[in-house]
Amino acid sequence: EAGVAQSPRYKIIEKRQSVAFWCNPISGHATLYWYQQILGQGPKLLIQFQNNGVVDDSQLPKDRFSAERLKGVDSTLKIQPAKLEDSAVYLCASSTLAGVGEQYFGPGTRLTVT
Amino acid sequence: DAKTTQPTSMDCAEGRAANLPCNHSTISGNEYVYWYRQIHSQGPQYIIHGLKNNETNEMASLIITEDRKSSTLILPHATLRDTAVYYCIVRRPWGGSQGNLIFGKGTKLSVKP
Repeated sequence: EAGVAQSPRYKIIEKRQSVAFWCNPISGHATLYWYQQILGQGPKLLIQFQNNGVVDDSQLPKDRFSAERLKGVDSTLKIQPAKLEDSAVYLCASSTLAGVGEQYFGPGTRLTVT
Repeated sequence: DAKTTQPTSMDCAEGRAANLPCNHSTISGNEYVYWYRQIHSQGPQYIIHGLKNNETNEMASLIITEDRKSSTLILPHATLRDTAVYYCIVRRPWGGSQGNLIFGKGTKLSVKP
């Protein structure tokens, strides 16, 4: 079974630029998550989708971050404009059901904002 | 905030058992204990979870105290590939956002030859 795919793996941008990350979850997984992991800390949930609807985006900085999952499969996370403090690894995960069962994580995208 | 307390780091000799403790003194009766690990430059990986009883799978064993206020993850024969950050998470078994994973800083386990 193919795992969660993410691209790009690495991205370097200057502050105030925009960036987008892509995630393809495991086939058949209805729930998709985006996490932000700052160096030395555990992952922090940014947004959770159930199919193409948002379940929880309470920790998403909505003034600069946006995410979508239009057809209930792939998802993109965008940052515009980026700040230095956005430097982190952005992880995508998926699961069959929200709140139960294990989450499967992708390898992440390492973002560096200079 | 994470509802668990874990040591920042631990060392283990290769081939020996690694015992990783976790305190979760405020756990509720219907909350599960989950363990994930994160190997360097990879996403977290599910290891095991339990409610009351001890659990074992091909990766590890989970021992939960009778009062459920603490637990121990046991890697019976640690290898160098088990070097990772291990996260203990208390989680509600509910749908929607209430069953979300809340990660702390975890325990950095270093397995040494």
